[in-house]
Amino acid sequence: GESVGLHLPTLSVQEGDNSIINCAYSNSASDYFIWYKQESGKGPQFIIDIRSNMDKRQGQRVTVLLNKTVKHLSLQIAATQPGDSAVYFCAESVIYNQGGKLIFGQGTELSVKP
Amino acid sequence: GAVVSQHPSWVICKSGTSVKIECRSLDFQATTMFWYRQFPKQSLMLMATSNEGSKATYEQGVEKDKFLINHASLTLSTLTVTSAHPEDSSFYICSAMKAGDYNEQFFGPGTRLTVL
Repeated sequence: GESVGLHLPTLSVQEGDNSIINCAYSNSASDYFIWYKQESGKGPQFIIDIRSNMDKRQGQRVTVLLNKTVKHLSLQIAATQPGDSAVYFCAESVIYNQGGKLIFGQGTELSVKP
Repeated sequence: GAVVSQHPSWVICKSGTSVKIECRSLDFQATTMFWYRQFPKQSLMLMATSNEGSKATYEQGVEKDKFLINHASLTLSTLTVTSAHPEDSSFYICSAMKAGDYNEQFFGPGTRLTVL
C-alpha cells in the first residue's frame, strides 16, 4: 500500500544463496505489478513485472510470484551476487480516470556478504 | 530506448530561494510524467502527476503552490521548489510514461536537493 515513511527492513544473505523479498499490496483492483532495484543515489531500475492474470513469471535469475488471494508479491533472486546489493521495491499500478500511477511498497534493503 | 534524464543531478541552495529541476524523456514522447520524493531509507512518495498541456494533479498533502510543475512539451516536465527550506531537502525522482501506455514508467536518475 502507500508508503508512510517506515524505515527499510533489511535482508542479509551469503553470496551464492537464493534471496526472497516479500511485499504486500493494498488494492485488490491492481492488475500490474513491478519490482524495481535502486542503488544508492540512483533512480529505480526495472527488474521484472507481472500482470494479475499470472501467478509466476521468470526472468534471468529472478522470479516474481503473485498471490492475489492474500495480495502478496515476492521476488526471488537465484545465486545472489554482491552486485545485487541494493534496495528493492515492489510497485502496484493503479488505474484511475486520468490514467495510471504507481504506488510503491516500503522496500527491502538487500545486503550480500561475500 | 526509453531514457529519462534529470538536471541537475544535485543542487545546494540557500533557504528561501527557488530551485528548478528538469525531467526529459530523451528518445520518446511522454504525455504523462510523475514526480516523486524520497527521504533517506524510505520509499518513493508520489508527489504529482504531470500531463502535457494541462495542470498537474497533486497527491494529498502536497502543496501545489510550493511545488510548481510545468509540462510544456511532450519531452520536458519541470518541478520548481519555491521558497525552499531545509525540510525540503530530499531526493527528487521523475518518471515518464509513453503516450498510450498506462502502466510502464521509465525513471530518471534523481536529483539530490540540499537546502542550507
